[in-house]
Amino acid sequence: DVVMTQSPLSLPVTLGQPASISCRSSQSLVYSDGNTYLNWFQQRPGQSPRRLIYKVSNWDSGVPDRFSGSGSGTDFTLKISRVEAEDVGVYYCMQGTHWPHTFGQGTKLEIK
Amino acid sequence: QVQLVQSGAEVKKPGASVKVSCKASGYTFTSYGISWVRQAPGQGLEWMGWISAYNGNTNYAQKLQGRVTMTTDTSTSTAYMELRSLRSDDTAVYYCARDALEGWGELSSWGQGTLVTVSS
Repeated sequence: DVVMTQSPLSLPVTLGQPASISCRSSQSLVYSDGNTYLNWFQQRPGQSPRRLIYKVSNWDSGVPDRFSGSGSGTDFTLKISRVEAEDVGVYYCMQGTHWPHTFGQGTKLEIK
Repeated sequence: QVQLVQSGAEVKKPGASVKVSCKASGYTFTSYGISWVRQAPGQGLEWMGWISAYNGNTNYAQKLQGRVTMTTDTSTSTAYMELRSLRSDDTAVYYCARDALEGWGELSSWGQGTLVTVSS
């Protein structure tokens, strides 16, 4: 199975400051069709997960543009340009290139 | 708008089975797949498997093979996940999510979750 490793696992951030989460995969996530099926999800406390970014860098509708995704191959990053209070929660990367699909362990973002 | 509405909470004894439903609306059901994800108390997300709503093809997590069955009813746009031989470590919130027809893990919309508690 492809192992997804996120860091850090805990991320205290001051309001208005940037935040960055790394996600590394144990194998390349580039599929034979040229796409990279790496997605990012946010789970606010007590809520269902919500997709933020799909295929590395594509925003979902309604996702603030302070969120951005980047990376390639085995190395990916989710960035928040200026953290707001509503960003508190756990962030997961997930790969859909290889079966079985696998999630990272999650990164808990909190306000300092 | 896309909606996935799941069935209510369940309490089961070890060794029993549970079947969770996920009713979809707001899109053409057979043009997508459904993935199931679970989350044990205080833990992260675990991918369980995927089913194509077009032709019923499935792909399951190996650790659940033999205990899990995912099905769809296209007449009611409903997906089902049945888990058998329940153990205490199956206690979790179970989510369905709309996936791509090919199962790329896109999980673009999620249900509200169904808590399954396994306890004697």
